Amino acid sequence: DQQVKQNSPSLSVQEGRISILNCDYTNSMFDYFLWYKKYPAEGPTFLISISSIKDKNEDGRFTVFLNKSAKHLSLHIVPSQPGDSAVYFCAASGTAWGYSTLTFGKGTMLLVSP
Amino acid sequence: EAGVAQSPRYKIIEKRQSVAFWCNPISGHATLYWYQQILGQGPKLLIQFQNNGVVDDSQLPKDRFSAERLKGVDSTLKIQPAKLEDSAVYLCASSLGFSGASEAFFGQGTRLTVV
Repeated sequence: DQQVKQNSPSLSVQEGRISILNCDYTNSMFDYFLWYKKYPAEGPTFLISISSIKDKNEDGRFTVFLNKSAKHLSLHIVPSQPGDSAVYFCAASGTAWGYSTLTFGKGTMLLVSP
Repeated sequence: EAGVAQSPRYKIIEKRQSVAFWCNPISGHATLYWYQQILGQGPKLLIQFQNNGVVDDSQLPKDRFSAERLKGVDSTLKIQPAKLEDSAVYLCASSLGFSGASEAFFGQGTRLTVV
């Protein structure tokens, strides 16, 4: 049972346009959501996060929106740049028994063309 | 600040052989994770340590996989015997704390191919 779902395996966007990556989750106990970016042959790197008590968090070109009622979050990249081409993983964290576990989606490959 | 170090970067073994991976987390990080990432999938948690204690190993195939964290610092993950379906990238990560707000830092991973 996949608790974090990224239903779009890939996304192609032109440089300068907006990239929107989507993520859905099923477990209402998740209280923190993170986006990781992964280049080939490297480990994932943290990009941006949002607490379940907020509905928006912004960091430069990156904004994450959270809709708790819909159990949906999205990552907006504006403007998109060719260097943003990578696999983006949505991850969710829920605290249980005094610790948090991190559950990842399958990822969305973003390709930004010049 | 040094990142999470993993070795080896690549490993090819025959099925039924054994293999071990090593991870050195960021200094001072209490939480250490081992993830398995099969091609086309997201990372799947195998085991999570807080200091040198295991807090979650529910998805670790304990009949063939084992892991330990020595003195709450370095960690090794072992597979014995390996199966073809164990071919994957094994990622080690560490975080300062153990709440969701504590960002996890990943190593480059070890790509295992079982033939």
